[in-house]
Amino acid sequence: RKEVEQDPGPFNVPEGATVAFNCTYSNSASQSFFWYRQDCRKEPKLLMSVYSSGNEDGRFTAQLNRASQYISLLIRDSKLSDSATYLCVVNMNNFNKFYFGSGTKLNVKP
Amino acid sequence: DVKVTQSSRYLVKRTGEKVFLECVQDMDHENMFWYRQDPGLGLRLIYFSYDVKMKEKGDIPEGYSVSREKKERFSLILESASTNQTSMYLCATRSEGGGDEKLFFGSGTQLSVL
Repeated sequence: RKEVEQDPGPFNVPEGATVAFNCTYSNSASQSFFWYRQDCRKEPKLLMSVYSSGNEDGRFTAQLNRASQYISLLIRDSKLSDSATYLCVVNMNNFNKFYFGSGTKLNVKP
Repeated sequence: DVKVTQSSRYLVKRTGEKVFLECVQDMDHENMFWYRQDPGLGLRLIYFSYDVKMKEKGDIPEGYSVSREKKERFSLILESASTNQTSMYLCATRSEGGGDEKLFFGSGTQLSVL
């Protein structure tokens, strides 16, 4: 079983839609959680960290559910420029051990 | 801003060649990483280094070695390239302190081994 699992998508949504991605992790000792964005043939870039209390950055909201071992990313009012692959990343209680989901592809269409 | 620079964006090599991938960071971070990324498999850790001359194997170290002679530079070496090492290679550094350590990536090297 993979340490981190994501629905690969693609999610095809119209501009202005709200879309949500989930990610599950297998190790309950996981300490830190992140969402990264990756454009085609580019490197992953940090979108946001995910905190237990949930956090918001503009149109993006991230939530952590430790009991069920999943994290989520909500994107409101989708823009064409949000089209990318979104990677869920978990740090397993070891500062140098990061586990990556395979990514969820989002296509925002006009 | 953290800057992580990989020396080549695209490389084409032949089977059996020795290949060097270079990575330089400008943030004085202790920890540096090499990952490879393949479709459907996500990012997999090859090696990481937590200090000059210090290294540890990741999940898929076979066929690779690394070198960290200076803090800012971390090199990945393919001793004898094989076709199954065709992949996107990503170097990363980790921020330190605050309990919210994050990874910062270089722009990647797409390596094709023919």
